[in-house]
Amino acid sequence: GESVGLHLPTLSVQEGDNSIINCAYSNSASDYFIWYKQESGKGPQFIIDIRSNMDKRQGQRVTVLLNKTVKHLSLQIAATQPGDSAVYFCAENMLTFGGGTRLMVKP
Amino acid sequence: DAGVTQSPTHLIKTRGQQVTLRCSPISGHKSVSWYQQVLGQGPQFIFQYYEKEERGRGNFPDRFSARQFPNYSSELNVNALLLGDSALYLCASSLGPDPDNYGYTFGSGTRLTVV
Repeated sequence: GESVGLHLPTLSVQEGDNSIINCAYSNSASDYFIWYKQESGKGPQFIIDIRSNMDKRQGQRVTVLLNKTVKHLSLQIAATQPGDSAVYFCAENMLTFGGGTRLMVKP
Repeated sequence: DAGVTQSPTHLIKTRGQQVTLRCSPISGHKSVSWYQQVLGQGPQFIFQYYEKEERGRGNFPDRFSARQFPNYSSELNVNALLLGDSALYLCASSLGPDPDNYGYTFGSGTRLTVV
């Protein structure tokens, strides 16, 4: 069946560095993607989204890139802070979620 | 303003029992979606309800059922519980059903443990 997956289960970065979290998807018909952040004991929190007719979208300190040719999605976090430590999920049309990447920020 | 509220927060049940989980959406939101999140994995879509009608269903057995009430709150029922049903059950609400037009907001979930 269709799936959305992540390449790296754990990412450790130094405070102030930039972080890149990757996601691969298999359904070429998908037209909407979302990144969520989930902290321990909480539900997922919306970070940023992108439609399939876009290649890039920027928010506050976050950028999502979409490469439809290779069915790849990435989340870039600039100047990573300790508060960014969490598990990050990509989602496809709110129906399929990746397995998650844990981001650990070292002070 | 109250966000999405789920009850109970934690629950322990025995194999074979039945459980009912509850979700109150954000005021004005008419769509509710349910997800199962097994420890260490991403959420898996179970159901979506909009205007009291089932709008979508994920790949879950018939032991899972749900409904939405006139006030747009929702219940998820799971019968004949299995150990594998142990998970965090998340509810998300939105103004409308289409995620690319209406943002989804998650509750903090109900942690179900089946022993």
